[in-house]
Amino acid sequence: GAVVSQHPSRVICKSGTSVKIECRSLDFQATTMFWYRQFPKQSLMLMATSNEGSKATYEQGVEKDKFLINHASLTLSTLTVTSAHPEDSSFYICSAAQGASETQYFGPGTRLLVL
Amino acid sequence: DAKTTQPPSMDCAEGRAANLPCNHSTISGNEYVYWYRQIHSQGPQYIIHGLKNNETNEMASLIITEDRKSSTLILPHATLRDTAVYYCIVRVVGTGGFKTIFGAGTRLFVKA
Repeated sequence: GAVVSQHPSRVICKSGTSVKIECRSLDFQATTMFWYRQFPKQSLMLMATSNEGSKATYEQGVEKDKFLINHASLTLSTLTVTSAHPEDSSFYICSAAQGASETQYFGPGTRLLVL
Repeated sequence: DAKTTQPPSMDCAEGRAANLPCNHSTISGNEYVYWYRQIHSQGPQYIIHGLKNNETNEMASLIITEDRKSSTLILPHATLRDTAVYYCIVRVVGTGGFKTIFGAGTRLFVKA
């Protein structure tokens, strides 16, 4: 149980385009989902927390207009990187929990490369 | 900021127990200790969590000191597949509720 999937697993895009990453909880309802970013040889950095049906709460320094998060259902959250630039190239990982205080389960990650 | 400190790296012989320490001296009474691990290029994998009592599951054991200021994750019989970065986490309460902040973790090398 507690499986979280992400799609796509890797994506290459041109600078200036937008990329959407999906995060799905496959066998449980996730009222809360989290998005992280990880650069090579570094730890995960929390970008934002989203509760189903509410606006996401972004961490300090994360541009909400650049990283659009939608959590419209209990099993799906999306992260859209708008007007991507090479410095946005990173490993994006989502996690999901049944409630804000419940155990988080992580997706396999999406590797984004912006050319 | 992460509320935990861990050694940056550790070695362990295959088949032996791996004991990974974690300090969380500022933990609050209702905060759980969580352990995850991340194998290269994958998402973190949940291992175990606990509040006060020691916990055991099919993957590992978690020993929490009585004052709750530190804990140890024990992999009883480490295998080469256990080579990973292990993260000890105390969740913090933010504007949107609990959130998990990752520290640098401990890179465990299991050697044959």
